[in-house]
Amino acid sequence: EAGVAQSPRYKIIEKRQSVAFWCNPISGHATLYWYQQILGQGPKLLIQFQNNGVVDDSQLPKDRFSAERLKGVDSTLKIQPAKLEDSAVYLCASRYSGLAGGLDFGPGTRLLVL
Amino acid sequence: GQQLNQSPQSMFIQEGEDVSMNCTSSSIFNTWLWYKQEPGEGPVLLIALYKAGELTSNGRLTAQFGITRKDSFLNISASIPSDVGIYFCAGLSNSGYALNFGKGTSLLVTP
Repeated sequence: EAGVAQSPRYKIIEKRQSVAFWCNPISGHATLYWYQQILGQGPKLLIQFQNNGVVDDSQLPKDRFSAERLKGVDSTLKIQPAKLEDSAVYLCASRYSGLAGGLDFGPGTRLLVL
Repeated sequence: GQQLNQSPQSMFIQEGEDVSMNCTSSSIFNTWLWYKQEPGEGPVLLIALYKAGELTSNGRLTAQFGITRKDSFLNISASIPSDVGIYFCAGLSNSGYALNFGKGTSLLVTP
């Protein structure tokens, strides 16, 4: 079974620029998450999707961050415009709907904002 | 989200030693999970706990779900160099939306 795929793996941009990250979850996983992991911290939830609907985006900075999962499969997370404090690893995770428990994480996208 | 307090923050041990780390919360969780993260990778699930008092093993790893549902511990026996990484606890509350993570315990093992 293929794991959660993310791209790009690394991205360096200047502040005020825009950036987008892509995630392809495990086939059949209806629930998809985006987490932000700042260096030295645990992952922090940004947004959760159930199929193509948003379940929780209470911690997403909506003035600059947006995410979509139009067909209930792939997802894109965008930052526009980026700030220095957005430098972090952005992790995508998925799980099979209806089961509480472990999430399967992708390798993450490492973003550096200069 | 709810805050999880994980300790110790870091550990530096010799190969063969046993390791113990724990996680506490001010809130009750229905599920406790332990993840390991290696450099450049996403977290990987080690053990999942679903019931208060539950004790579960996975090879040299043993984890317990505290009776109060506000804490959990992870033990690693006879550590080896490949145990190096950051270990995160994570809890799932009644709302069941998403996991809340601790700040991690960084483990270094010398041969």
